[in-house]
Amino acid sequence: SQQGEEDPQALSIQEGENATMNCSYKTSINNLQWYRQNSGRGLVHLILIRSNEREKHSGRLRVTLDTSKKSSSLLITASRAADTASYFCATDALGTYKYIFGTGTRLKVLA
Amino acid sequence: DTGVSQDPRHKITKRGQNVTFRCDPISEHNRLYWYRQTLGQGPEFLTYFQNEAQLEKSRLLSDRFSAERPKGSFSTLEIQRTEQGDSAMYLCASRAIGRRRDRGSGANVLTFGAGSRLTVL
Repeated sequence: SQQGEEDPQALSIQEGENATMNCSYKTSINNLQWYRQNSGRGLVHLILIRSNEREKHSGRLRVTLDTSKKSSSLLITASRAADTASYFCATDALGTYKYIFGTGTRLKVLA
Repeated sequence: DTGVSQDPRHKITKRGQNVTFRCDPISEHNRLYWYRQTLGQGPEFLTYFQNEAQLEKSRLLSDRFSAERPKGSFSTLEIQRTEQGDSAMYLCASRAIGRRRDRGSGANVLTFGAGSRLTVL
């Protein structure tokens, strides 16, 4: 498969809790991005982390990147019901301009 | 220009028919991508263009699939002799080219359209 792996595949939490999802990929990369997709819609970019960065923050989002393990994590703090969506990581391998997406984590935040 | 537009949003067709999807990217974006997404899966790369040149094509794209971007602006994705296995959401995305690939996060970000959902009966 050309896709990376994400875990968990599905996650259900209470509003106010933190949500953590993980992504593993296969090749050396330029950067890694996280996208969000509401049911039946297109994807929306959330955050990008470059291969020479280890951690990045944006609002309630925190992304980490470990290039030695070829893995990344996305933490959403103080989750809200509106965060309910699918979350995908995407990588662009060195020497290419195509983006490979993971299999996604389906997050459900219960009010 | 508010984003990436895709048309039609939904298409229901009978097996064996041809279908065509159109994507209008953000006007200043010169890279355009097509992805296919089935239920519960992530988007799978199909092909991408830089201006009018098709630079890479996935092995997923069989001979029945063809994509064009004739003037480096809008793109079309045609599926000939559709099969039930072609049923999926077809996503288009565009991005700008930065002077360096990692200069500024904006140049590396894909902007997606809402997708064209294909159902083959």
